[in-house]
Amino acid sequence: DGGITQSPKYLFRKEGQNVTLSCEQNLNHDAMYWYRQDPGQGLRLIYYSQIVNDFQKGDIAEGYSVSREKKESFPLTVTSAQKNPTAFYLCASSIRLTGELFFGEGSRLTVL
Amino acid sequence: KNEVEQSPQNLTAQEGEFITINCSYSVGISALHWLQQHPGGGIVSLFMLSSGKKKHGRLIATINIQEKHSSLHITASHPRDSAVYICAATSRTGNQFYFGTGTSLTVIP
Repeated sequence: DGGITQSPKYLFRKEGQNVTLSCEQNLNHDAMYWYRQDPGQGLRLIYYSQIVNDFQKGDIAEGYSVSREKKESFPLTVTSAQKNPTAFYLCASSIRLTGELFFGEGSRLTVL
Repeated sequence: KNEVEQSPQNLTAQEGEFITINCSYSVGISALHWLQQHPGGGIVSLFMLSSGKKKHGRLIATINIQEKHSSLHITASHPRDSAVYICAATSRTGNQFYFGTGTSLTVIP
């Protein structure tokens, strides 16, 4: 079945460490997104990509980095520069920027 | 002020009740989405609409472009409908999504 796979589902990190969250889709979608979800807030855009080898910063890109070397894959690295990284991270894709959104199951990162 | 506002924030209903969740937006949009987030965290797209009304099973979504308002209705609610429902809008330029903060629905047997 087509869909979006995020891993790991749960991740614990010590302060000062970088971590990478995986996002893979087999929907043949051009656009991919990373969102952060905090309690009581709407989803906030970290980065998005419309095409391979190109990506754009979202509203809260500081302390994060991404790559888009393959159409199917859009990994997110949470760097030690991110001041408050504990959150729920959601990857999404759409056939184009204005299309219906498909989400992964999310990754919950906790910094100890 | 958020570009997309939802009400109510929390909603508890008895099984079988008719439920309405409201969404208002303040920006120009090309489409409006209704999403469902279950306790595990994954999000499923329920509807994407730009005008009128869409129905899928017991779920109905409507949008009034002039009033910048959308509603999600659930008929004959069931405990398995318990989830967070999120309204989101695609900007008219098509390069951004705006998300509401969600409505947490609990349906009691």
